[in-house]
Amino acid sequence: QVQLAESGGGLVEPGGSLRLSCAASGFIFSDFYMTWIRQAPGKGLEWVSYISSRGSSIYYTDSVKGRFTISRDNAKNSLYLQMNSLRADDTAVYYCARVNAQLGVDIIDHWGQGTLVTVSS
Amino acid sequence: DIQMTQSPSSLSASVRDRVTITCRASQSIRKSLNWYQQKPGKAPKLLIYATSSLQSGVPSRFSGSGSGTDFTLTISSLQPEDFATYYCQETFTTLTFGGGTKVEIK
Repeated sequence: QVQLAESGGGLVEPGGSLRLSCAASGFIFSDFYMTWIRQAPGKGLEWVSYISSRGSSIYYTDSVKGRFTISRDNAKNSLYLQMNSLRADDTAVYYCARVNAQLGVDIIDHWGQGTLVTVSS
Repeated sequence: DIQMTQSPSSLSASVRDRVTITCRASQSIRKSLNWYQQKPGKAPKLLIYATSSLQSGVPSRFSGSGSGTDFTLTISSLQPEDFATYYCQETFTTLTFGGGTKVEIK
């Protein structure tokens, strides 16, 4: 079955960096777009970034442009999020998720368990 | 970027009530609108995709409608397991979510 397992979260000071990883299994990773979505404590879902199946197309939400970098290694079935210049408002649970297409519409059909990133001094 | 606005942000309802949640896009997204349900401490679950298509395994009391900029999620008869937070999501441009609607027990 499809499994997505995030790692790399933790406590970091403002201005610091973290690299999140997501290990995928149970499907042909290189066939699917992937995305990172975050949820601040007690808040709603926020789409952060997504990457096409071969990594040729990448998109970011405005608040992370220039600070975060999404990447993937299809040989290792892994998705990454390099987060630099972290701010307090980046504090959230970060979910790795698979993007699928149904009836021509993208859906998020599988999610990881999430990894908590806390930005605080 | 497209903005997604949900209303209400929260509501109180009783079991067997009919519940309607609305989602408005800042520009036309045709029918590229999904709905998710999230329970505390859990990842979201897809309910409806492409505005009105029911995801496999989701009860038929959930339905979706709309097009362009205005969309609705309807729960025809609220069940105890439906108390949760619901999010709309546009996939016309990116994967932007609405702010969420928390459905609480009255």
